[in-house]
Amino acid sequence: EVHLVESGGGLVQPGGSLRLSCAASGFTFSNFNMNWVRQAPGKGLEWLSYIHSSSSSIYYADSVKGRFTISRDNAQNSLYLQINSLRDEDTAVYYCARESPLGSFLDYWGQGTLVTVSS
Amino acid sequence: DIVMTQSPDSLAVSLGERATINCKSSQSVLYNSNNKNYLAWYQQKAGQPPKLLIYWASTRESGVPDRFSGSGSGTDFTLTISSLQAEDVAAYYCQQYYSTLYTFGQGTKLEIK
Repeated sequence: EVHLVESGGGLVQPGGSLRLSCAASGFTFSNFNMNWVRQAPGKGLEWLSYIHSSSSSIYYADSVKGRFTISRDNAQNSLYLQINSLRDEDTAVYYCARESPLGSFLDYWGQGTLVTVSS
Repeated sequence: DIVMTQSPDSLAVSLGERATINCKSSQSVLYNSNNKNYLAWYQQKAGQPPKLLIYWASTRESGVPDRFSGSGSGTDFTLTISSLQAEDVAAYYCQQYYSTLYTFGQGTKLEIK
């Protein structure tokens, strides 16, 4: 069974940094492209970033380019999101999501990790 | 970026009745070489992560009840729930994966009337 478990969220001050992790199991992680998506409290879904299975291609939403860095470690079955220069508007639940092998839609999602930016 | 706009923002439908949610993209998400629309629908219940319902605009994900259907092409798409059940109360989102920068619609909140 596919499992994605995010961790690393918490309370952080504006201007701070955080590294989120997503531990994958139940599938061959190195064969799948992965994404990060966030959801601010009471708001909709916002796609953040994509990484190819081999890390050969990486894309970011314009809203986070330059502050967020996606990476993965296929040996550790793990996906990461480094978030720098945190702002109040980065407060959200951050989800990792797997892309289907059939196309670039997101077929499995983790439960999410909450990041709260506040002084 | 491709902007996805859903309508309505919220919807109240009686049990057993049809629910229809619309999604419009700012440019076509139909890829001419394979005649596929790069459009997915997700359901998100309160306190849960999103769940994939429909992909390629009209293909139901495995295990999704057949009361859920997707239609449309190019820039205009529809998610239809043919006979609303209590467990369908949720927010619904469309997403385009035509561009390398994926985008979601703002969501439609579906409630029971």
